Amino acid sequence: ETGVTQSPTHLIKTRGQQVTLRCSSQSGHNTVSWYQQALGQGPQFIFQYYREEENGRGNFPPRFSGLQFPNYSSELNVNALELDDSALYLCASSPYPGASPYEQYFGPGTRLTVT
Amino acid sequence: EDQVTQSPEALRLQEGESSSLNCSYTVSGLRGLFWYRQDPGKGPEFLFTLYSAGEEKEKERLKATLTKKESFLHITAPKPEDSATYLCAVRENRDDKIIFGKGTRLHILP
Repeated sequence: ETGVTQSPTHLIKTRGQQVTLRCSSQSGHNTVSWYQQALGQGPQFIFQYYREEENGRGNFPPRFSGLQFPNYSSELNVNALELDDSALYLCASSPYPGASPYEQYFGPGTRLTVT
Repeated sequence: EDQVTQSPEALRLQEGESSSLNCSYTVSGLRGLFWYRQDPGKGPEFLFTLYSAGEEKEKERLKATLTKKESFLHITAPKPEDSATYLCAVRENRDDKIIFGKGTRLHILP
């Protein structure tokens, strides 16, 4: 069984630039969620994708956008980067939203630094 | 507003000294409560899902319990390798959003 993978591991960008982060979901999972985790805080929900459609969104501006592909992998895009976007970005995969039991597994994260 | 509050923020224990971490929550209807372990710079590692009051789950030295308003993560005779941040999260009936607490940083001294 393949776990959740993310790329790149680390990334340094300049304010105003755009960034794309990638995630491959765990085998058998068709739902992907993205989270932002600032230092010393818990993860904050950005959005979730199920069957290539956005299936819920947290309190993040439209410059945070995403995609899910037919193989259930996903991308997180952030435009017009701000200094406060510096954080660990986590991808999590899970079975379909109504599954029981419902378990969500995280990838190792991408550390984004905006200077 | 839905909230998840974890206490204490940080806890230092001697090896073998048992204790409990608390997670209190306010949601309109609980669809699941999750416990994760997170090591520095890494993604959270799934530990447990609890669904209803009275439910308990165990894994090695960890036991999670759930009431209508809070959950406890009991750590029995901890070892230094149990040192990590423990995160609690809830999923409510209204949508699929999962809300995390800020975590408890646990440090076990040898």
